[in-house]
Amino acid sequence: SQKIEQNSEALNIQEGKTATLTCNYTNYSPAYLQWYRQDPGRGPVFLLLIRENEKEKRKERLKVTFDTTLKQSLFHITASQPADSATYLCALDKGTGGFKTIFGAGTRLFVKA
Amino acid sequence: GAVVSQHPSRVICKSGTSVKIECRSLDFQATTMFWYRQFPKKSLMLMATSNEGSKATYEQGVEKDKFLINHASLTLSTLTVTSAHPEDSSFYICSAREGPQDSPLHFGNGTRLTVT
Repeated sequence: SQKIEQNSEALNIQEGKTATLTCNYTNYSPAYLQWYRQDPGRGPVFLLLIRENEKEKRKERLKVTFDTTLKQSLFHITASQPADSATYLCALDKGTGGFKTIFGAGTRLFVKA
Repeated sequence: GAVVSQHPSRVICKSGTSVKIECRSLDFQATTMFWYRQFPKKSLMLMATSNEGSKATYEQGVEKDKFLINHASLTLSTLTVTSAHPEDSSFYICSAREGPQDSPLHFGNGTRLTVT
């Protein structure tokens, strides 16, 4: 069956350090992969999209990598700040069936001052 | 940027009653909207795809008679939870794309439904 796996344990890091979150998937061949941020009680907010022919993508302090051989994406936040504390969701297109977006369970990030 | 507005943000209803949730795209037209459900500390679960002017497409295991979806215009989709029961209590979130099918989703802020 198709699965998107993110580390369910919360990630605690010190302010200023780099946070690295992992997304692994099985039985998918996505054309692209997305990362979203979700704060408690709110809807997700889009951060970055990376296509299958792209190895890496950056936006300000954010960096995403996409390894279609390993079926893995890494999401990095450099110089992390307490305001970066949130849940980060990995998402894939379902492929067949109309470009439906399927989400992982997310990883909760806590950045301590 | 594209904004999706969802209303109400919270609703408490009694078991057996129905609840309607509205999802509006404020500054763009959306021929397709998506309804998700989320349990605490769990992933967003896609419930259905709402198609303007036609029937919604439901994901496997989602009861279409329980969760009625209407997409009457290019900016409005509604989800009605019929004959609600406590197990329907959840966080419901709608989303839409502003651009082509491979563009990111814009989400509403969700509706917290509590059925007593």
